[in-house]
Amino acid sequence: ETGVTQTPRHLVMGMTNKKSLKCEQHLGHNAMYWYKQSAKKPLELMFVYSLEERVENNSVPSRFSPECPNSSHLFLHLHTLQPEDSALYLCASSQEGSGNTIYFGEGSWLTVV
Amino acid sequence: GIQVEQSPPDLILQEGANSTLRCNFSDSVNNLQWFHQNPWGQLINLFYIPSGTKQNGRLSATTVATERYSLLYISSSQTTDSGVYFCAVARDYGGATNKLIFGTGTLLAVQP
Repeated sequence: ETGVTQTPRHLVMGMTNKKSLKCEQHLGHNAMYWYKQSAKKPLELMFVYSLEERVENNSVPSRFSPECPNSSHLFLHLHTLQPEDSALYLCASSQEGSGNTIYFGEGSWLTVV
Repeated sequence: GIQVEQSPPDLILQEGANSTLRCNFSDSVNNLQWFHQNPWGQLINLFYIPSGTKQNGRLSATTVATERYSLLYISSSQTTDSGVYFCAVARDYGGATNKLIFGTGTLLAVQP
């Protein structure tokens, strides 16, 4: 599936660094998502941007900051992360409305050292 | 919140065998999707199936919403079917959809 592209695919960062993950969808969708997949834990929704609303999982620390400049682009800004934030970060998109499938990108593997 | 349980957690098959994966969920949902995660991490959507039965090649899925479970059938398995299979559910009532709750997955290994 190449409709949702994420960069970088792999990122190693120190705890004092600031970096950003980028996502672009080419499917004409109007909703975009960040999900986090940690080892031994289910995928967890972090943020949603759609025409209807922006949704934030209240358990996500403020060191993660999303930005959605338009319906095709989504960023996840990272600053002063902790080693436990090391995970696979998955971007996804869908078209709002009932019965709409969600499509995921290939993910960004993040390691915090 | 809604709990999603998948079984079995691990499954090893010989190539050509059939299998059934199960997803139980604790409350009513109107959005249920099955995914396959390949060894490189990408999640591929297999089915959007909040109710009823669908088939796509060697894969089929059935959801019985009133009994809160869904089944994924894999027939004539191939080594390329290996990976993790996830079930995810949501209650979409206005606002943003696809706020999915994922199960812990079934790790499938198909041996030649």
